[in-house]
Amino acid sequence: GAVVSQHPSRVICKSGTSVKIECRSLDFQATTMFWYRQFPKQSLMLMATSNEGSKATYEQGVEKDKFLINHASLTLSTLTVTSAHPEDSSFYICSAEDRVSGNTIYFGEGSWLTVV
Amino acid sequence: EDKVVQSPLSLVVHEGDTVTLNCSYEVTNFRSLLWYKQEKKAPTFLFMLTSSGIEKKSGRLSSILDKKELSSILNITATQTGDSAIYLCAVPGGGADGLTFGKGTHLIIQP
Repeated sequence: GAVVSQHPSRVICKSGTSVKIECRSLDFQATTMFWYRQFPKQSLMLMATSNEGSKATYEQGVEKDKFLINHASLTLSTLTVTSAHPEDSSFYICSAEDRVSGNTIYFGEGSWLTVV
Repeated sequence: EDKVVQSPLSLVVHEGDTVTLNCSYEVTNFRSLLWYKQEKKAPTFLFMLTSSGIEKKSGRLSSILDKKELSSILNITATQTGDSAIYLCAVPGGGADGLTFGKGTHLIIQP
């Protein structure tokens, strides 16, 4: 079964609204989680590193005021896409590393965001 | 800047063929290399390689790392249509263990 759960799997929102995506590690604690974005037929691009109890670290070119990341607990990180635009439509995936069990990196199931 | 290059970008073979996918990397502080299979959703983990020359095997899939050549290969023998997917290679390096991915190899197995 999934060890990292992402919700919602699909969401459609109107331009100008905000949408929140949740990422949970189900049976391990993750002090660090990662958010990726994937456009159709392209590879995954790291957006930001989510740090429990502190500010996220954003990759170059990613707007931190637009993609708000909160890592309030050791098992939950959220990505909020604010003032969404159609060009934000994409596949967003989170991941977390289980440092206790061999440092395996697990991915959430991904969230398809469509902004209309 | 960390870099991962995969080849070929796409590959079409017939069922039963053997395929070899390539991944080369440039990373400041190498720790591991990971292979993932991506179908229609999020990637699923295949292998993590940390030591050079030690083959990891899972059924018809196997992978090996060559730290001298800064590369890895993923082999799939006796391919099946269910092996059709994008195979991604990644190394930790971007932003505190965040993965840097290659562009992937889009593998199509024809019946």
